[in-house]
Amino acid sequence: DAKTTQPPSMDCAEGRAANLPCNHSTISGNEYVYWYRQIHSQGPQYIIHGLKNNETNEMASLIITEDRKSSTLILPHATLRDTAVYYCIVRVDNYGQNFVFGPGTRLSVLP
Amino acid sequence: NAGVMQNPRHLVRRRGQEARLRCSPMKGHSHVYWYRQLPEEGLKFMVYLQKENIIDESGMPKERFSAEFPKEGPSILRIQQVVRGDSAAYFCASSPWDRSSGANVLTFGAGSRLTVL
Repeated sequence: DAKTTQPPSMDCAEGRAANLPCNHSTISGNEYVYWYRQIHSQGPQYIIHGLKNNETNEMASLIITEDRKSSTLILPHATLRDTAVYYCIVRVDNYGQNFVFGPGTRLSVLP
Repeated sequence: NAGVMQNPRHLVRRRGQEARLRCSPMKGHSHVYWYRQLPEEGLKFMVYLQKENIIDESGMPKERFSAEFPKEGPSILRIQQVVRGDSAAYFCASSPWDRSSGANVLTFGAGSRLTVL
């Protein structure tokens, strides 16, 4: 699976959009981009995933560049409850593959 | 539809005792993953199982740790002769094999926190 690079930490003002970047320059054509987050010491929570096209759900939007070498997770109106560690993972959609979590980005939403 | 259930949520053991952590996957999920998170550290993959099969145990310590996912019942992560360094949060996740969407998403449980005295 391709390696990802994320900034270690970011701040965002409450009510503003939080844009979390992820570089995955060695991604291959059959690898998906997944985003998870872990709030404090809870179990990680799935947010969104995509292959080529931009994706949106009730939690967030995922913007993937045309060359697929980077992506951005957007939380449109961040709240204090969005303070968490956000993990970007690229992974082949294949039976028998585990998910490898890197250090992620620690997002602090400030009042 | 209950999520991934882990128990116990908190477990205290003395050095040398055994710890058993249980994970019931979401209904319809046939794959289970175990991860360990040491205090102030990231999630580390341990083992990936399907019913009655270990698919990938590359993250499991070679000694004292074992995992199973029997045909009936929950997945069990077993740690024999626990040491203080085993104190951590152990997370279980499950997934379906969803061919229709072409992707495979993990649902995590709330974790089991092991403290070794």
